[in-house]
Amino acid sequence: KQEVTQIPAALSVPEGENLVLNCSFTDSAIYNLQWFRQDPGKGLTSLLLIQSSQREQTSGRLNASLDKSSGRSTLYIAASQPGDSATYLCAVRQIAAGNKLTFGGGTRVLVKP
Amino acid sequence: DGGITQSPKYLFRKEGQNVTLSCEQNLNHDAMYWYRQDPGQGLRLIYYSQIVNDFQKGDIAEGYSVSREKKESFPLTVTSAQKNPTAFYLCASSITGTGSSGANVLTFGAGSRLTVL
Repeated sequence: KQEVTQIPAALSVPEGENLVLNCSFTDSAIYNLQWFRQDPGKGLTSLLLIQSSQREQTSGRLNASLDKSSGRSTLYIAASQPGDSATYLCAVRQIAAGNKLTFGGGTRVLVKP
Repeated sequence: DGGITQSPKYLFRKEGQNVTLSCEQNLNHDAMYWYRQDPGQGLRLIYYSQIVNDFQKGDIAEGYSVSREKKESFPLTVTSAQKNPTAFYLCASSITGTGSSGANVLTFGAGSRLTVL
């Protein structure tokens, strides 16, 4: 059974520092991995999607890498801002198990001004 | 603007009552999903539907029921059989529910928070 883990569960950094968020998964038979942002009491917003054949994806200050063989993905947020404060979740889409998404527990980020 | 609308945003239920959460999308997506989120935990899949008039159980379907009579609508009923229904419920959709293309990127609604009194 696929398990997705995000460590740490919470992270606090001063404004301007780069953020590094980790996601690990146990079954490398995946179609893709997706990073989401969730603000308190709200739904999820998709940030980046990395296909299993890709090594990284970039969007503005965000960069996500994928190492499928080791079961790891990292989300980098450059020059963090207070508006980046949110919970970040990763999810993998499995080739088996009906093509379902399996989510990690999320990392709650606080960027202090 | 296209998107997913969930209602109500907040819902209170007495023990023993069934409640229905609404999810409507105008994105012309084939696939729709219901997830449950508990504090500090990831999302867990309740039910999903890849096409009208068809749906499958997710990882935690017990105590829940769904229908998919229209492409745009995927309501979730939380029945009295669900032992611990207090949670945040999220509906999502994607162009398709299969394959490896970007067409299965999920779009989420704003969520419904259910509290059992």
